[in-house]
Amino acid sequence: RKEVEQDPGPFNVPEGATVAFNCTYSNSASQSFFWYRQDCRKEPKLLMSVYSSGNEDGRFTAQLNRASQYISLLIRDSKLSDSATYLCVVTGGGNKLTFGTGTQLKVEL
Amino acid sequence: DAGVIQSPRHEVTEMGQEVTLRCKPISGHDYLFWYRQTMMRGLELLIYFNNNVPIDDSGMPEDRFSAKMPNASFSTLKIQPSEPRDSAVYFCASSSLTGTENTGELFFGEGSRLTVL
Repeated sequence: RKEVEQDPGPFNVPEGATVAFNCTYSNSASQSFFWYRQDCRKEPKLLMSVYSSGNEDGRFTAQLNRASQYISLLIRDSKLSDSATYLCVVTGGGNKLTFGTGTQLKVEL
Repeated sequence: DAGVIQSPRHEVTEMGQEVTLRCKPISGHDYLFWYRQTMMRGLELLIYFNNNVPIDDSGMPEDRFSAKMPNASFSTLKIQPSEPRDSAVYFCASSSLTGTENTGELFFGEGSRLTVL
């Protein structure tokens, strides 16, 4: 089983839609969780951290469910510029970040 | 401020040749990571350094791969001999992680796209 699993998509949604991605992780001892964004042929960049109580950053909401070992990302009122691959990231021991393979989002007119 | 700088951006080489990828981390960052990205396997951590010392190289695929960090501002990833299955985008990333708090922010370079024929 992969350490971090994501549905690769693509998720094709119209502009203005709400879309949600889930990610599951296998290591129950994982401490920190993040979402990164990667545009086509570019490097990944941190989108947001995921806190136990859930957190929001504008149109983006991240949630963590430790019991079920999954994290989610919700994007409201999606924009064309949200089109990208969203990478779920989990830390195990130390400072080692493990990336999922990513979920591709395409926002269309 | 300059970000993480990688070179070359693109390299095409023939099987059996030596490949050297270079990375200059952000000044002041004490962690440096080498990742490899392919469509099939996503981003895989190859090795990371803390204060120029290799901490975890368990992701290095085999003896053909080696990485060095001779000083705080420079690291290399070498593949010798290269094989077609090494074709991927190789990312270097740096971070400054203080204490036990992990902010999760890695700053990636633009990557080196390697094609081995």
